[in-house]
Amino acid sequence: AQSVSQHNHHVILSEAASLELGCNYSYGGTVNLFWYVQYPGQHLQLLLKYFSGDPLVKGIKGFEAEFIKSKFSFNLRKPSVQWSDTAEYFCAVMITGKLIFGQGTTLQVKP
Amino acid sequence: SQTIHQWPATLVQPVGSPLSLECTVEGTSNPNLYWYRQAAGRGLQLLFYSIGIDQISSEVPQNLSASRPQDRQFILSSKKLLLSDSGFYLCARGLAGTNTGELFFGEGSRLTVL
Repeated sequence: AQSVSQHNHHVILSEAASLELGCNYSYGGTVNLFWYVQYPGQHLQLLLKYFSGDPLVKGIKGFEAEFIKSKFSFNLRKPSVQWSDTAEYFCAVMITGKLIFGQGTTLQVKP
Repeated sequence: SQTIHQWPATLVQPVGSPLSLECTVEGTSNPNLYWYRQAAGRGLQLLFYSIGIDQISSEVPQNLSASRPQDRQFILSSKKLLLSDSGFYLCARGLAGTNTGELFFGEGSRLTVL
């Protein structure tokens, strides 16, 4: 079955620490890849996306993600997190017309 | 505009009662529409998606159904709610004219079944 796995369910970091959230998917065909974010009290919104081309993509607020096809991975990174990055992060993969989400990772950044 | 309206925002219903959650979208015609359920620690579960009026695909066998009576209206229903139907329901639309997976989400409807 097609699935998306996020390895970290709850991450706690101090401000200025580096962040990497793992995401793997199980599907052998062509995919579109996404990271969505839900800040406290706000609706879910797009953080960044990958369709094709350069496997290193940059999104809003200094986030980036790298697609490694051989590993079926699309990990999210940020060199230095801020308190305002506290949110829930979802990896998502578009497979055969359906957007499938991972379980989500709650990031808590301590000031 | 990619505005999505969902109502009601919150709902408390007894077990066995019916349900109707509504979603309307603004913007271009014939959008792809989706219903997801968000549960803590389980991410977003795709329930239904629709590529057009009366064209609905169900992803998970369950106690719920969906209908799309108009191009920009998507309704989630149940005849008899179960306790396990409690959750946060999100309506989403695809980016106009595409099916890339880039979605815009509504603010959600929180359902509590007692």
